[in-house]
Amino acid sequence: DAGITQSPRHKVTETGTPVTLRCHQTENHRYMYWYRQDPGHGLRLIHYSYGVKDTDKGEVSDGYSVSRSKTEDFLLTLESATSSQTSVYFCAISEVRASYEQYFGPGTRLTVT
Amino acid sequence: AQSVTQLDSQVPVFEEAPVELRCNYSSSVSVYLFWYVQYPNQGLQLLLKYLSGSTLVKGINGFEAEFNKSQTSFHLRKPSVHISDTAEYFCAVNFGNEKLTFGTGTRLTIIP
Repeated sequence: DAGITQSPRHKVTETGTPVTLRCHQTENHRYMYWYRQDPGHGLRLIHYSYGVKDTDKGEVSDGYSVSRSKTEDFLLTLESATSSQTSVYFCAISEVRASYEQYFGPGTRLTVT
Repeated sequence: AQSVTQLDSQVPVFEEAPVELRCNYSSSVSVYLFWYVQYPNQGLQLLLKYLSGSTLVKGINGFEAEFNKSQTSFHLRKPSVHISDTAEYFCAVNFGNEKLTFGTGTRLTIIP
């Protein structure tokens, strides 16, 4: 299994509070991604990174920000959580030499009350 | 726009029967194609992939898929399913950049 961990694995928070999710990899892959998974929508890309301090938006980036200060860590921040951000969040990594095949972390279940 | 379509959101199949899960994409460029499986309360794991070469690719757990360029399809098949195949299956396509576009998934339910 690819060395990808996510923390926390479960979190319940209140509307309006900031939340940060962490993705950590031990594979030294260049690309890292954050997705959210919701019933009927599959996986939707929130943000991705193509190197340290290099990030770009995905299709559902509103309300989210990311940072990558080290190759191994990719943080996803909800500045002010809303109930619509209740979801399961997955991190993934990939490399050019692997034809961008993505390896996924175990996921974080976030509930915003 | 480039998109991936999995028309069947749920597929019930009797145990030991064959199954086909459909995936179509819209693009005229060269693509890389993937099928992922997600077991309950787990992350996604790669089932199989098509990068080039033979259009019939074999994956783990007895699954195979066939790339059809003219029909822009990449359907997943298994000749005889088992209870342990109960999961959600996602088709994903690389349209020539660093991202994957995922279909909305097909939930496969095996009926004993």
